[in-house]
Amino acid sequence: DIQMTQSPSFLSASLGNSITITCHASQNIKGWLAWYQQKSGNAPELLIYKASSLQSGVPSRFSGSGSGTDYIFTISNLQPEDIATYYCQHYQSFPYTFGAGTKLELK
Amino acid sequence: QVQLTESGPGLVHPSETLSLTCTVSGFSLTGYSVYWVRQPSGKGLEWMGRMRYNGDTSYNSALKSRLSISRDTSKNQVFLKMNSLQTDDTGTYYCTREGNPFDYWGQGVMVTVSS
Repeated sequence: DIQMTQSPSFLSASLGNSITITCHASQNIKGWLAWYQQKSGNAPELLIYKASSLQSGVPSRFSGSGSGTDYIFTISNLQPEDIATYYCQHYQSFPYTFGAGTKLELK
Repeated sequence: QVQLTESGPGLVHPSETLSLTCTVSGFSLTGYSVYWVRQPSGKGLEWMGRMRYNGDTSYNSALKSRLSISRDTSKNQVFLKMNSLQTDDTGTYYCTREGNPFDYWGQGVMVTVSS
């Protein structure tokens, strides 16, 4: 199975700032990477797929990049509603494993 | 519109069997695969298994000996059965539709394993 290493586990940031989360795959996943947002008590919500494509309806302050084994997720101009836990997930080959998550808090 | 709704008992006793149902609408089970993903309380996401659009199933190797997924396409339902439950199986169980890779999720059902 492909292992996904996500960092950091916790992140504290101020409103209006930018944050970055990284995800490293144990082998080349060829861009088949998604990012999810999970707010407390809710199901995960797909934000980005194919490493950098924004899911319909997702604000443009969310973005993703990367290739091969290394990927980056960025939130620009952090808003109060962005406080959540974020997960990466590869889907290059079955099984589609998740990263351990990054909990984003307000500073 | 696309919807997935999980249902099942909130409380299961240790060593017993968990039975959950995912009822879908807005798409066909013969056109899309449905996965089960769980989240132990306060922890991350773990995929459990899938019912493919063609009726094939696949399971997480760590759960394979305890897990069974089936479906009834006439009722638009996918079923999960997991036996020999223990306290560390406590958490929220989700069903989700495959689409880049998981584009729609149910609201989840909380399952507590306790005597």
